[in-house]
Amino acid sequence: EDKVVQSPLSLVVHEGDTVTLNCSYEVTNFRSLLWYKQEKKAPTFLFMLTSSGIEKKSGRLSSILDKKELFSILNITATQTGDSAVYLCAVVNTGGFKTIFGAGTRLFVKA
Amino acid sequence: DAGITQSPRHKVTETGTPVTLRCHQTENHRYMYWYRQDPGHGLRLIHYSYGVKDTDKGEVSDGYSVSRSKTEDFLLTLESATSSQTSVYFCAISESDRGPYEQYFGPGTRLTVT
Repeated sequence: EDKVVQSPLSLVVHEGDTVTLNCSYEVTNFRSLLWYKQEKKAPTFLFMLTSSGIEKKSGRLSSILDKKELFSILNITATQTGDSAVYLCAVVNTGGFKTIFGAGTRLFVKA
Repeated sequence: DAGITQSPRHKVTETGTPVTLRCHQTENHRYMYWYRQDPGHGLRLIHYSYGVKDTDKGEVSDGYSVSRSKTEDFLLTLESATSSQTSVYFCAISESDRGPYEQYFGPGTRLTVT
């Protein structure tokens, strides 16, 4: 059965800390891995990763994919209270329609 | 932000009644999706559409049907609502020129079945 597992389920850090969120997957016909940020509303798209070893960066956020070991990490450096959210990982199959989401990691950044 | 709206945004209904949720997009994107989000389960795909009148089931389609008669509208119907269908429902769309991979979400509809 296809599945996506995120860890930790929740995390509390202080402003300025660096955090690493994990996403492992078992999906047939892997096409891409997506990261989303969800505050008290709809998920917003962060990154799409399709190739191993190539880091995607956007400001203080970065992500990398390891297709051999079937996982991805999302790093956030110099965390801010505005980073508090649920971070969702999703994997898409080659057809593009089957998207499996993990349960998410809830991050809380204390001031 | 992608032009996606959902209606209604909140709804309370009784068990056994039919309910229709609407997703409307102004982006002319080919692919549209309906998800439900429940604590501990993340987002789960209910149905998706890859064109007008072209739809298919996702992983939790039982008790739901969909229709897409126009590019811009994707309707989700609960034929006879049950308490287990209490959830937050999100519609998503994908850019047609990139294929169906990056999905952009609507604001969500909170449905409560009493």
